[in-house]
Amino acid sequence: GDSVTQTEGLVTLTEGLPVMLNCTYQTIYSNPFLFWYVHYLNESPRLLLKSSTDNKRTEHQGFHATLHKSSSSFHLQKSSAQLSDSALYYCALTPSGGSNAKLTFGKGTKLSVKS
Amino acid sequence: ETAVFQTPNYHVTQVGNEVSFNCKQTLGHDTMYWYKQDSKKLLKIMFSYNNKQLIVNETVPRRFSPQSSDKAHLNLRIKSVEPEDSAVYLCASSPGLGGREQYFGPGTRLTVL
Repeated sequence: GDSVTQTEGLVTLTEGLPVMLNCTYQTIYSNPFLFWYVHYLNESPRLLLKSSTDNKRTEHQGFHATLHKSSSSFHLQKSSAQLSDSALYYCALTPSGGSNAKLTFGKGTKLSVKS
Repeated sequence: ETAVFQTPNYHVTQVGNEVSFNCKQTLGHDTMYWYKQDSKKLLKIMFSYNNKQLIVNETVPRRFSPQSSDKAHLNLRIKSVEPEDSAVYLCASSPGLGGREQYFGPGTRLTVL
């Protein structure tokens, strides 16, 4: 089946430093959708980024990611971390279209930004 | 307000009891999901419904049963809870299948004593 591997555990950064959370995936489908969801404490998880286009950068709220099918990767980046970025980040995968509604999540990466 | 709503927020119960969780979405979506987020924050899909039809049923114990009265509601019943059922149960919805953004509710935290 599908699988998603993320930077494991806790990533601690000082405010202002760049953010890089790794995500690689395995799937038999040639056109998967990749997502980054963010889960802030005491809130609902919500979509941060989404892509199905190879080698195209997608950006939202200062974060960006590029789907690289050649390396099966969708790393999350931000040039300068802010205290408010502290949250749990999930990379997720779903096959494209059709009747498949299943999102496969990675194990989550907890980002802690300190001053 | 359009969103995904879950009740209750928290529930504490004893082993062997039955519990039910409710989920309602007012987003007009036709697909709804139940996820389990365990103590290590692993997030795994349990069930998915599209227009009241079950389309995804992951390997979960038979004591778990989803119930959908219409496409805006998806409830979850656990017949006889076990300690390992302690988790946060997240409901989500999406406009269609495959590649669509999923909108999550706030979750129901279940503690089994």
